[in-house]
Amino acid sequence: GAVVSQHPSRVICKSGTSVKIECRSLDFQATTMFWYRQFPKQSLMLMATSNEGSKATYEQGVEKDKFLINHASLTLSTLTVTSAHPEDSSFYICSAPRGGLLDTQYFGPGTRLTVL
Amino acid sequence: AQKITQTQPGMFVQEKEAVTLDCTYDTSDQSYGLFWYKQPSSGEMIFLIYQGSYDEQNATEGRYSLNFQKARKSANLVISASQLGDSAMYFCAMREGLRYGGATNKLIFGTGTLLAVQP
Repeated sequence: GAVVSQHPSRVICKSGTSVKIECRSLDFQATTMFWYRQFPKQSLMLMATSNEGSKATYEQGVEKDKFLINHASLTLSTLTVTSAHPEDSSFYICSAPRGGLLDTQYFGPGTRLTVL
Repeated sequence: AQKITQTQPGMFVQEKEAVTLDCTYDTSDQSYGLFWYKQPSSGEMIFLIYQGSYDEQNATEGRYSLNFQKARKSANLVISASQLGDSAMYFCAMREGLRYGGATNKLIFGTGTLLAVQP
């Protein structure tokens, strides 16, 4: 069964609004989670590493003020897309290593964001 | 720079046949990990198989096996006895190894191969 969940699975919002996406590890604790973005017919690109109890680490070119990450607990990380615009429309997917930092990453089912 | 290359944008295979999906990588790290994930149309990334750079045996998981050729820097996925449910996008990924005293678990993905299994 699934070990990482995401909510919502799909969201449509108006330009200028903010959208929060939740990522939960279901039967394990994850001090680190990862957020990826995938454009249609393209590969996954790592956006940021979410760290419980400390600031997220963002990849080059990712605006940290645009994509706010909060690792609220050992089982929950949230990604907030602030003031969303149509170019932010994408598939956002999170992952977490199950057995420790270097363990295999298990992915959530993803969130499809459409900004009108 | 670390890089994963999947040269096959799409592949067809007959049901019950075996298929090989190619993956080559480029890294200067001595320690690294290679992964294959399956992404069906639903979007979820499903972990299939893992190969560590120091593993001497090729990894196997049920119908999946990884043909690891370290000198050639290739990590091809072999799916035996293809099933209709195997139709999906397949991504090869590499985990960066230890560097500068710190370990990371960042995954770098290839562009993927779309596999279509025909009845």
